[in-house]
Amino acid sequence: DQQVKQNSPSLSVQEGRISILNCDYTNSMFDYFLWYKKYPAEGPTFLISISSIKDKNEDGRFTVFLNKSAKHLSLHIVPSQPGDSAVYFCATPSSNTGKLIFGQGTTLQVKP
Amino acid sequence: KAGVTQTPRYLIKTRGQQVTLSCSPISGHRSVSWYQQTPGQGLQFLFEYFSETQRNKGNFPGRFSGRQFSNSRSEMNVSTLELGDSALYLCASSLTGQGGEKLFFGSGTQLSVL
Repeated sequence: DQQVKQNSPSLSVQEGRISILNCDYTNSMFDYFLWYKKYPAEGPTFLISISSIKDKNEDGRFTVFLNKSAKHLSLHIVPSQPGDSAVYFCATPSSNTGKLIFGQGTTLQVKP
Repeated sequence: KAGVTQTPRYLIKTRGQQVTLSCSPISGHRSVSWYQQTPGQGLQFLFEYFSETQRNKGNFPGRFSGRQFSNSRSEMNVSTLELGDSALYLCASSLTGQGGEKLFFGSGTQLSVL
């Protein structure tokens, strides 16, 4: 079965420091990954993506790294801000349906 | 451009009842997907509709069903509600729904089954 796993349910960091959120995957046919951010009472919104032709993609304070040999990706937020406090989901297209499958999510708290 | 709109925002039902949730996609988007979010389980794919046809389906029992209208609006129905159906139900739209296309989510309907 294809899976996307976020093994850390929560993460707490101090404002200005780096936040690192991790995601492991199995059997990805697409090697294309997305990160979504979700605030309470709102739907998830797209944050950043990466495809297998790259091992890094950067967008402002957000950088995603892809390690294909380890089947691992990570999202770095530098510097972290209190407004970054949210639930972060990694996702990848399902090999069967092409629809996005999501990890369990990591709740990030950035303390002022 | 208006975003994805889901109604109602909150619902409280009792076991055995049925419920219908509504989703209006972004104008021009023809693919509508439904996801269930529960604590610790992330977002689980329910089904996807495109051009009024169910195109993909996740691993949910037949009590979960849906439909899509000619204007791309979609409804999701859950019959014979169980306590475990309590969750946030999210609707997402995209232009074509093709492999890994970015999804735009609504704010969800929070369903509580008592």
